[in-house]
Amino acid sequence: EVQLVESGGGLVQPGGSLRLSCAASGFSFSNYTMNWVRQAPGKGLEYVSTIGSNGGTIYYADSVKGRFTISRDNSKNTLYLQMSSLRAEDTAVYYCVKGRWELPAWGQGTLVTVSS
Amino acid sequence: EVVMTQSPAILSVSPGERATLSCRASQSVSSNLAWYQHKPGQAPRLLISGASTRATAFPARFSGSGSGTEFTLTISSLQSEDFAVYYCQQYNNWPRTFGQGTKVEIK
Repeated sequence: EVQLVESGGGLVQPGGSLRLSCAASGFSFSNYTMNWVRQAPGKGLEYVSTIGSNGGTIYYADSVKGRFTISRDNSKNTLYLQMSSLRAEDTAVYYCVKGRWELPAWGQGTLVTVSS
Repeated sequence: EVVMTQSPAILSVSPGERATLSCRASQSVSSNLAWYQHKPGQAPRLLISGASTRATAFPARFSGSGSGTEFTLTISSLQSEDFAVYYCQQYNNWPRTFGQGTKVEIK
């Protein structure tokens, strides 16, 4: 069974930094493209970033480009999202998601709150 | 980027009735379109891929159609467990983009 477990969320001040992690199990992590998708309170789903299976292909939404960095450690079956220069509008539940095209497996999410 | 527009924003339906949800892309995405079901406090679930291929976890009352720029999700006879928010997502272009969602609520 595919399991994706996010961690690292919490309260951070505007301008601050935070690193999210996603521990993957139940599938061959190193063979799959991985993503981060977020949902702000009362809003819809928003694509954040994608990383290819070997880390060689990376995409970002314009809203986070230059501030967020996606990475992965295939030896640890773990996906990361380094977030810096955080803004109030980055407040959201961040989901770790498996897939390159459609997105068949999602974690339960971790809440990031950006507030002073 | 490809802008996905869903309508209506809220759909009020009685149990047993048919629900029709629409999704429009700002440019052609071929059949590279997925639908997700999202309930409060839960992770979103992939419902439809390739515009019309239903995930095995979902019953046959769910169906998807369309290609290019116009897509439809139909729930033939709404059950209580179907009340949720439904999102479309294109995966033809980067960045991937979602529609703003359609909330299906009990009438």
